[in-house]
Amino acid sequence: GENVEQHPSTLSVQEGDSAVIKCTYSDSASNYFPWYKQELGKRPQLIIDIRSNVGEKKDQRIAVTLNKTAKHFSLHITETQPEDSAVYFCAASKGGSYIPTFGRGTSLIVHP
Amino acid sequence: DVKVTQSSRYLVKRTGEKVFLECVQDMDHENMFWYRQDPGLGLRLIYFSYDVKMKEKGDIPEGYSVSREKKERFSLILESASTNQTSMYLCASSLTGGYGYTFGSGTRLTVV
Repeated sequence: GENVEQHPSTLSVQEGDSAVIKCTYSDSASNYFPWYKQELGKRPQLIIDIRSNVGEKKDQRIAVTLNKTAKHFSLHITETQPEDSAVYFCAASKGGSYIPTFGRGTSLIVHP
Repeated sequence: DVKVTQSSRYLVKRTGEKVFLECVQDMDHENMFWYRQDPGLGLRLIYFSYDVKMKEKGDIPEGYSVSREKKERFSLILESASTNQTSMYLCASSLTGGYGYTFGSGTRLTVV
């Protein structure tokens, strides 16, 4: 089955810095890669996703890149703000399967 | 505009009790899932259902069962609660292919 590795487990940055979280996956058939943000005490929420037919997608301060050859994808947050502090989960799934495989999460801490 | 609703935010139960966790979604999603979330372990899949009355075991089904009598409702049952089942439980639903994945707010269960 699919295996998703996520690094780092904890990331501490100063406000205004950039943050990068990386995930690797094992199943070359995976074609959908969402990212979720979970603030303390709240539900995980989808913040951005990418499908295997594109290499990069941006939405304001966040972007996701995908390297299908190397089987890894990354979340980039620029100009971090304290409200970006949360746990971020990556996931991978493939068409025909309804079960995404999640990474273990990255706790991002943005210091004012 | 809550779309996946879990009936309880916090629950405290005694060892040996039968516990029901309820989840309702209003998005007409085919698939529903139960996860438990523990620090450092990420999201672990307990059971999922891809249709009414259909269920499949996830990665950690031991000690749990599920019921899906209607499309919008998916229940997680702890037949005899134990202290090692103290955790945050998250329900989710999705369309086929893992798209539109939406989580509930979670139920924090404490077994004493």
